[in-house]
Amino acid sequence: GQNIDQPTEMTATEGAIVQINCTYQTSGFNGLFWYQQHAGEAPTFLSYNVLDGLEEKGRFSSFLSRSKGYSYLLLKELQMKDSASYLCAVRDTDYKLSFGAGTTVTVRA
Amino acid sequence: DAGITQSPRHKVTETGTPVTLRCHQTENHRYMYWYRQDPGHGLRLIHYSYGVKDTDKGEVSDGYSVSRSKTEDFLLTLESATSSQTSVYFCATGTSGRIGLDEQYFGPGTRLTVT
Repeated sequence: GQNIDQPTEMTATEGAIVQINCTYQTSGFNGLFWYQQHAGEAPTFLSYNVLDGLEEKGRFSSFLSRSKGYSYLLLKELQMKDSASYLCAVRDTDYKLSFGAGTTVTVRA
Repeated sequence: DAGITQSPRHKVTETGTPVTLRCHQTENHRYMYWYRQDPGHGLRLIHYSYGVKDTDKGEVSDGYSVSRSKTEDFLLTLESATSSQTSVYFCATGTSGRIGLDEQYFGPGTRLTVT
């Protein structure tokens, strides 16, 4: 199985940068995903890492270190619409996803 | 975005009654999943399907059954609803799950309350 940890809440100011950390312990690893979920809505895909290193996608970047069981999601130039829950998910070798409990990010003006 | 619908979107039912939730997709995705989402637990996999009539259990399958008779439909049944099954239920789909990215696409969710 998977054990996935991420902080419960983070607060940041509009225009700032926030880094959401995710650590995992896994019995099998086949990729790490980040999803965004606004309150009352479905999760939507943000990023994917399967090899070590940084993946950049506009204002969002995600980093993976497989040897350390560690990932982070970096949100730059924060906007009010970025207030949401961010879910870290690990895919195992059976191609099932296990999710962390999510990090609620609040962006203040 | 994948065309995924869930019905009903909201349901209130009594303890001990059977309940069936429906997920319908128009993307011809092979894989379909049912999750439940509860505060403090995140999304937890209930059952999944890797093809018509091919299903398997997830992390929290007790008290739930599924069926998939067509590619586009995946049904989740609570055989005898309990208050602990009060939750938001999400359906998701994926393509192959075998190579590369293959992210999952989520439906809008069903809010189920068992009284």
